[in-house]
Amino acid sequence: AQRVTQPEKLLSVFKGAPVELKCNYSYSGSPELFWYVQYSRQRLQLLLRHISRESIKGFTADLNKGETSFHLKKPFAQEEDSAMYYCALSGFRGSQGNLIFGKGTKLSVKP
Amino acid sequence: ETGVTQTPRHLVMGMTNKKSLKCEQHLGHNAMYWYKQSAKKPLELMFVYSLEERVENNSVPSRFSPECPNSSHLFLHLHTLQPEDSALYLCASSQGDGELFFGEGSRLTVL
Repeated sequence: AQRVTQPEKLLSVFKGAPVELKCNYSYSGSPELFWYVQYSRQRLQLLLRHISRESIKGFTADLNKGETSFHLKKPFAQEEDSAMYYCALSGFRGSQGNLIFGKGTKLSVKP
Repeated sequence: ETGVTQTPRHLVMGMTNKKSLKCEQHLGHNAMYWYKQSAKKPLELMFVYSLEERVENNSVPSRFSPECPNSSHLFLHLHTLQPEDSALYLCASSQGDGELFFGEGSRLTVL
């Protein structure tokens, strides 16, 4: 079964500290993975996807097929990074954009 | 207006009522989605329409009935709902590449 697991409901760090939001997935095929973010009072939006291999707002995520993980990392957290982060997996109809989401991790960056 | 617009933003209904949620996208996308976001549960994909044809129906109860009259509009008709159907209903659109553009959601309360 396709599943996305985000083990941490809440992650709290201080400004300038490194941050890693964990994501593990279960999928038998070749996955497409995404990170979505929802800032306070804003709508859910795409942060980054693994196939683009980009760094967005200082965040990176590497797909590790051996560990079935797609952890989101940033070396120096900023207060404006505080938000809900959702890891998502594209199912077998990847071209349709059907996504399976994790439960989300709330990141709180303290001053 | 650009982006994905959902109305109403808030809806309270009794179990015997019939109501509809509306979604409109001005992005020229060819796929539209309904997701359900409940407390303590991940985002659940309900329905997918691609080129106005329903391509996904994830075992959603028949008291939820989607309608996609054209590529820009999507409805979710609600009938004889249960209190456990209270949730945030999110509409999204996509060009089918995994990047979903979400609306702000319709907060539904079933009494």
